[in-house]
Amino acid sequence: KNQVEQSPQSLIILEGKNCTLQCNYTVSPFSNLRWYKQDTGRGPVSLTIMTFSENTKSNGRYTATLDADTKQSSLHITASQLSDSASYICVVSPVSSASKIIFGSGTRLSIRP
Amino acid sequence: KAGVTQTPRYLIKTRGQQVTLSCSPISGHRSVSWYQQTPGQGLQFLFEYFSETQRNKGNFPGRFSGRQFSNSRSEMNVSTLELGDSALYLCASSRQIQETQYFGPGTRLLVL
Repeated sequence: KNQVEQSPQSLIILEGKNCTLQCNYTVSPFSNLRWYKQDTGRGPVSLTIMTFSENTKSNGRYTATLDADTKQSSLHITASQLSDSASYICVVSPVSSASKIIFGSGTRLSIRP
Repeated sequence: KAGVTQTPRYLIKTRGQQVTLSCSPISGHRSVSWYQQTPGQGLQFLFEYFSETQRNKGNFPGRFSGRQFSNSRSEMNVSTLELGDSALYLCASSRQIQETQYFGPGTRLLVL
């Protein structure tokens, strides 16, 4: 069964600190893996998208990595800001268009001043 | 370029009623997907449309249905509403299936 699991479920860090969110998946083969940021009450916004052949992708202070051998991805946030407080969702798309996109349950990140 | 728009943004209904939600994708996007999001379940896939055809469907009862029009706009309908249908309903569009999806702001539905 295709699954995407994220950890930790929630995280609280101080403003200015770095953090890393984890995503483990069993979807194989997959077309791409994306990280989304979702502010409370808003729709998710795409941060990064990686194909199976890529192992890192950056978007400002956000850097996503992908290890296709261990089926793990991580999202690293550098020098956190209060506006980074949100849910971060890992999404994996199977190669077959007939298969559904799989969403992780998300990591709830809170940045404290 | 305008983003994905959804109407209405908020809706209150009572049990047994039906509701229709609307989604206008980004211009040029032909794929529209619908998701239900609740605090306990996270994002749950409802269905995906491409060129007016349903391409994928999630594990929701038949009370949930949708359609896509020739201009790629999409609607979803929920009949015989239940309390558990209270959720944020998100629409996402992409140029093609499996490409990056851009989400709308959602419609928050409350069933009393």
